Amino acid sequence: GQQLNQSPQSMFIQEGEDVSMNCTSSSIFNTWLWYKQEPGEGPVLLIALYKAGELTSNGRLTAQFGITRKDSFLNISASIPSDVGIYFCAGQTPYQGGSEKLVFGKGTKLTVNP
Amino acid sequence: NAGVMQNPRHLVRRRGQEARLRCSPMKGHSHVYWYRQLPEEGLKFMVYLQKENIIDESGMPKERFSAEFPKEGPSILRIQQVVRGDSAAYFCASSPRGRDSYGYTFGSGTRLTVV
Repeated sequence: GQQLNQSPQSMFIQEGEDVSMNCTSSSIFNTWLWYKQEPGEGPVLLIALYKAGELTSNGRLTAQFGITRKDSFLNISASIPSDVGIYFCAGQTPYQGGSEKLVFGKGTKLTVNP
Repeated sequence: NAGVMQNPRHLVRRRGQEARLRCSPMKGHSHVYWYRQLPEEGLKFMVYLQKENIIDESGMPKERFSAEFPKEGPSILRIQQVVRGDSAAYFCASSPRGRDSYGYTFGSGTRLTVV
């Protein structure tokens, strides 16, 4: 089946540092999404990317949809303690038979030291 | 996660029992997706339903698992004769229409523990 390779698996950083994480796939996706999950909660959508090459920002977060449609990265600038959590990339499969399910990476666990 | 209600939040079942997980989508949303998350893993798609219809169940195990989304009431994910490997967090997401990832809202999940 389709798989997303997300790296790094975990990051330990100091408050104020910038963070970068990425996802790659052998398959093409028509939409890339980045989610954040906190303990005991469901994923919350951070950024959605719909076009190859698209660069989108949401506050201190910036994400890009790779030109080949097989990769994406997420940057967080000037990290703060509340950025702690697990960040997931997700690719949306091309529309087939009425279903647009998501394929998730395994996540990047971010720890921010004050 | 406001709006998509899942219950119970935590469910403990003995091996061989049945587990019923409920999902009430956001108001006005008629599309429901179920995902499973194993420890230290990402979410994996199980099933996509619209009211009274199963659209895509390609991620559902062939045995013991079933899902429904009746005309009235919540969507139900049912696991019969649970085994230890069924222990996971089960998330439901809803959207107002199928072709719109931006409208995908996840609930807080049900954490199933099989003892």
